[in-house]
Amino acid sequence: EIVLTQSPATLSLSPGERATLSCRASQSVSTYLAWYQQRPGQAPRLLIYDASYRAVGIPARFSGSGSGTDFTLTISSLEPEDFAVYYCQQRRVWPQTFGQGTKVEV
Amino acid sequence: EVQLVDSGGGLVQPGRSLRLSCTASGFSFNSYAMTWVRQAPGKGLEWVSSIGVSGSPTYYADSVKGRFTISRDNSKSTLFLQMSSLRAEDTAVYFCAKDRDGGYGTFDFWGQGTLVTVSS
Repeated sequence: EIVLTQSPATLSLSPGERATLSCRASQSVSTYLAWYQQRPGQAPRLLIYDASYRAVGIPARFSGSGSGTDFTLTISSLEPEDFAVYYCQQRRVWPQTFGQGTKVEV
Repeated sequence: EVQLVDSGGGLVQPGRSLRLSCTASGFSFNSYAMTWVRQAPGKGLEWVSSIGVSGSPTYYADSVKGRFTISRDNSKSTLFLQMSSLRAEDTAVYFCAKDRDGGYGTFDFWGQGTLVTVSS
């Protein structure tokens, strides 16, 4: 099973600041990595797929990069609605696995 | 508009069974793989099971293999998760999710979730 380790666990920032979230895989997942946002009480929302492609309707302030074992989600300038938990997820091999999440808080 | 509506959750005793449903609309249900993901209270996301467009192949997490069965009824645009021999550790919100393209593992739409509580 591929383990995804996200860092940091919590990121304390202010609106307008840049957020950089990391996801490291225990073995290569090529670019088969996605990022999801989950607000309290809501279902997850797809932000980025295949490491760097924005999903439909996702603002340009969200970007993804990386390949192999190291990936980054960047939010260029935090909006109030961006304070949430973010998960990475790999689909390179079964079982598909998620990281433990990074909470972006004010 | 794509919609996924999860239902069937509730309080169930350990060892009993429960069947979850996910009713889809707004897309060609029979053209996409579907998946169940769960989230224990206060915890992260855990992939549970996936199913191909025609009902096969099916895939399961080791934690539920042999106890859960995923299925679909394309004529009714509905996904199911039959859960048996339930354990306390199966307590979670269960989300159905639509796979983004012809493959598996990128979930572009999610249901609202249905809470399953396993307790005596």
